Amino acid sequence: AQKITQTQPGMFVQEKEAVTLDCTYDTSDPSYGLFWYKQPSSGEMIFLIYQGSYDQQNATEGRYSLNFQKARKSANLVISASQLGDSAMYFCAMRATPKTSYDKVIFGPGTSLSVIP
Amino acid sequence: DAGVIQSPRHEVTEMGQEVTLRCKPISGHNSLFWYRQTMMRGLELLIYFNNNVPIDDSGMPEDRFSAKMPNASFSTLKIQPSEPRDSAVYFCASSTGTGRYEQYFGPGTRLTVT
Repeated sequence: AQKITQTQPGMFVQEKEAVTLDCTYDTSDPSYGLFWYKQPSSGEMIFLIYQGSYDQQNATEGRYSLNFQKARKSANLVISASQLGDSAMYFCAMRATPKTSYDKVIFGPGTSLSVIP
Repeated sequence: DAGVIQSPRHEVTEMGQEVTLRCKPISGHNSLFWYRQTMMRGLELLIYFNNNVPIDDSGMPEDRFSAKMPNASFSTLKIQPSEPRDSAVYFCASSTGTGRYEQYFGPGTRLTVT
């Protein structure tokens, strides 16, 4: 069964420091996609970054980068130079089953990040 | 460009009443998703549509929940009759159904059933 695990329920980071949020996944499909979403206290879900299973390089989007280790089935999110506005819940998600018309995504339980001034 | 639009943003209703949540996906997106988020259960997929056709409704909790997508620009999620345990934030999301398949979420509807 496909599953996303985020083992850190809460994390703290000092402003301007880098932080890594962990995500491991489980799937038997060879082709899949991994996503990270941010949910600030205002409640909206914001798409941050995407990594395809066949992508040769780790994805980067501004201060966000994805540390993709396929053999270990991990897709950790790295946020560089943390800002107060980065305080939020962060969800790791996975899309699999590419052989069907499905674009169903499963989400992990989330990690709460607090940035300390 | 307008994002996913949901209405109402907040809904308070009494147990037993019918509740209808509305969603307008991003224009050109072929897939639409309804999620429910609670502290206890996290983010749960209820149902999703592709090209207006329901593809997977295995997450719909019970017969009290129903969803429709009569056209590419509108979907509803109905709860009848509502119960206190239905209190949650309900999100609608849409995606192009191709490429990276990333989903774009609406602002959510916070439902409180008393």
